Amino acid sequence: QLVVTQSPSASASLGASVKLTCTLSSGHSIYAIAWHQQQPEKGPRYLMKVNSDGSHSKGDGIPARFSGSSSGAERYLTISSLQSEDEADYYCQTWGTGIQVFGGGTKVTVL
Amino acid sequence: EVQLVESGGGLVQPGRSLRLSCTVSGFTFGDYAMSWVRQAPGKGLEWVGFIRSKAYGGTTEYAASVKGRFTISRDDSKSIGYLQMNSLKTEDTAVYYCTRDLSGELDYWGQGTLVTVSS
Repeated sequence: QLVVTQSPSASASLGASVKLTCTLSSGHSIYAIAWHQQQPEKGPRYLMKVNSDGSHSKGDGIPARFSGSSSGAERYLTISSLQSEDEADYYCQTWGTGIQVFGGGTKVTVL
Repeated sequence: EVQLVESGGGLVQPGRSLRLSCTVSGFTFGDYAMSWVRQAPGKGLEWVGFIRSKAYGGTTEYAASVKGRFTISRDDSKSIGYLQMNSLKTEDTAVYYCTRDLSGELDYWGQGTLVTVSS
């Protein structure tokens, strides 16, 4: 069964970096994922796609301080130089034949 | 500029029906699949279903929680997608988003429309 798992929360200081993890279920380690950001009281916004080889492609207007990487069944989102507006929920999403799957989301707090 | 705008949400009684629309602009709607995603109050994102482009048969897939009750369709000539929701339950209460489906990743989102199922 295709599942993606995220830690529920993460925090870092203003100007620091934070790395979020999305883990694919067993047997699905080659799957690509997408990261989405949802700021408080707003709809989600697509950030990027991360492939199994670590390459990533970002959405329109996404700042350079957002980057993606990969290792095995884990896909990462790194936010550098944290800004106050980065305080948000971050969801990873993957897909298979006839199905889309979301992780439970990671709430990022900027200290 | 790519835009997706949902409409049709509101308050509906359990067991009744509601149809949501998603009007798109800024790209050729017919070239893309479209997914619907919902978010219950205070909860995470839940995929509802999607419709493939006509080039891929225009077929649909649904989450188990809505299969048999919800139907997704599209009118490429009008650049509008639809989500027909029948036999609504209180647990269907959520903000519903339409998204552009770029071969899997959902790369553009609408602003959402709230559906409240309550007596």
